[in-house]
Amino acid sequence: AQRVTQPEKLLSVFKGAPVELKCNYSYSGSPELFWYVQYSRQRLQLLLRHISRESIKGFTADLNKGETSFHLKKPFAQEEDSAMYYCALRVAQKLVFGQGTRLTINP
Amino acid sequence: EPEVTQTPSHQVTQMGQEVILRCVPISNHLYFYWYRQILGQKVEFLVSFYNNEISEKSEIFDDQFSVERPDGSNFTLKIRSTKLEDSAMYFCASSFGQGGVQPQHFGDGTRLSIL
Repeated sequence: AQRVTQPEKLLSVFKGAPVELKCNYSYSGSPELFWYVQYSRQRLQLLLRHISRESIKGFTADLNKGETSFHLKKPFAQEEDSAMYYCALRVAQKLVFGQGTRLTINP
Repeated sequence: EPEVTQTPSHQVTQMGQEVILRCVPISNHLYFYWYRQILGQKVEFLVSFYNNEISEKSEIFDDQFSVERPDGSNFTLKIRSTKLEDSAMYFCASSFGQGGVQPQHFGDGTRLSIL
């Protein structure tokens, strides 16, 4: 079955520290993976997609098919990074989401 | 930047009543979706819609649910006889195409509270 797992519900780091939000997936096909971010009281916004290998707001994510992972990383956290982060896998026409990780950046 | 808009932002309804949630997708998008998120749980797919018909639906999307694109701009989700367990945040999304090159864009959501 298709599944996305984000093992950490909550993650708290200090400003300037590195951040890694974990995402693992289970899918028999060729995966298409995304990271969405939801700032307080705002909509789900696309942050990254693996297909474009881009860096947005200092975040990067690499698809590791061997480990079935798509972890989100940022070398130096900023206070404005505090938000809810969702990893998602596209299966046919739908997105399958993980539980989400609430990231808090402490000053 | 164009956005998906949803109305109302919060809907309170008595159990057993019908409710219609409204969405205006991004204008040149062709694929439309509804998702929901029960408090404390994952965002779950409900249905996708393309070329004026349902293209995929989940087990959650039973006979109590229906979707419609009544005109060129609106996309609605109707719940015929609401239950307490329908209380959730409902998100509309749209995309120009499928796949990672054409990601899904989400609205702000409608919080549905069933009393």
